[in-house]
Amino acid sequence: GQSLEQPSEVTAVEGAIVQINCTYQTSGFYGLSWYQQHDGGAPTFLSYNGLDGLEETGRFSSFLSRSDSYGYLLLQELQMKDSASYFCALLWASKIIFGSGTRLSIRP
Amino acid sequence: GAVVSQHPSRVICKSGTSVKIECRSLDFQATTMFWYRQFPKQSLMLMATSNEGSKATYEQGVEKDKFLINHASLTLSTLTVTSAHPEDSSFYICSATQTGGSNQPQHFGDGTRLSIL
Repeated sequence: GQSLEQPSEVTAVEGAIVQINCTYQTSGFYGLSWYQQHDGGAPTFLSYNGLDGLEETGRFSSFLSRSDSYGYLLLQELQMKDSASYFCALLWASKIIFGSGTRLSIRP
Repeated sequence: GAVVSQHPSRVICKSGTSVKIECRSLDFQATTMFWYRQFPKQSLMLMATSNEGSKATYEQGVEKDKFLINHASLTLSTLTVTSAHPEDSSFYICSATQTGGSNQPQHFGDGTRLSIL
């Protein structure tokens, strides 16, 4: 199947660094994306890995290893506004399949 | 750029009513649009892929006659929930991909919260 697994919840301290992992059991996809979703809102695009390795966009970085069927999103200098749900998603030729989602809670 | 507008943002109606949701790409052409459904505290589940000028492709378990999709132009796709019932209450989100390659990022609408009484 095309399932993507993420931890359901992660808690971190403001100013710290947190890593959200995503594992999958499939192949033949174009790349791995990450989306942020605040309560009641729509997902917003954060990052995309078409190739293995690290992609950095400001405080957010994303990593993909196809050989390990694994990726992660790294958030640095955490701010309270980063409290949200984060989804990894595999991009196929004609669709995107979302992971189970990780609820990130930031405490002062 | 790459704005997707979804309307309405919220619908509350009686059981048995049909509800139409519109998804528009405002500043780009979208050959393909996607419709998702999200229940509280769950992930986005792809319902169907809407293709301009052709029939939509539905995911397994999604009733074609229940969720009617029309993609009549390169900037508009509609989802009609026919004879809606309380179990259809959910957050429906559309997304669109710019024409020009399957590795283009998806742009999401703001979603429609559907509540069936």
